[in-house]
Amino acid sequence: GQQLNQSPQSMFIQEGEDVSMNCTSSSIFNTWLWYKQDPGEGPVLLIALYKAGELTSNGRLTAQFGITRKDSFLNISASIPSDVGIYFCAGGNSGNTPLVFGKGTRLSVIA
Amino acid sequence: ETGVTQSPTHLIKTRGQQVTLRCSSQSGHNTVSWYQQALGQGPQFIFQYYREEENGRGNFPPRFSGLQFPNYSSELNVNALELDDSALYLCASSLVGQGTYEQYFGPGTRLTVT
Repeated sequence: GQQLNQSPQSMFIQEGEDVSMNCTSSSIFNTWLWYKQDPGEGPVLLIALYKAGELTSNGRLTAQFGITRKDSFLNISASIPSDVGIYFCAGGNSGNTPLVFGKGTRLSVIA
Repeated sequence: ETGVTQSPTHLIKTRGQQVTLRCSSQSGHNTVSWYQQALGQGPQFIFQYYREEENGRGNFPPRFSGLQFPNYSSELNVNALELDDSALYLCASSLVGQGTYEQYFGPGTRLTVT
């Protein structure tokens, strides 16, 4: 099935560093969602974006809806050990259409 | 507010058997979507149920079927299990019709087919 392109695939950073990751698509989406998944758990919604160009924050997390509607970015500031996990982007178009996911960015934080 | 719950947590089945997975949606939500997540991959859409009817299906064969009940809970049934069906099965609930497209996931059911 269709998947979005997420990069990087994985990253190792020092505690306290800032993190950036992105997600691109060949198709336009009206909604971009960012999730975090811990091992053995379901994805947890972090941020939802509904408007091209929109910049939304949730604590140390900031996400942007690209103006082309084909990409989105997630930044984490001042990383801490509990930020470790896999971050997924997902694109959607309406409430009753499926979300299309990327393969995820695996984040490791070195204390 | 009660979140999305799934049962069982883990399941081991033999090839050719049938399995039923269950999902209770978050209170106030009216739609359930099911996803299959293979190791190292993002979730792949199986199908969605809205008002007790299938409302969209991904690229999965007919041996994957489902139900939604009047209380919005849902079941995923898989017949004639194959080894490749081993995966984490996730359900997500959402509220369709209110202008938001957020889906909230349960913890998943880990299915192993031997």
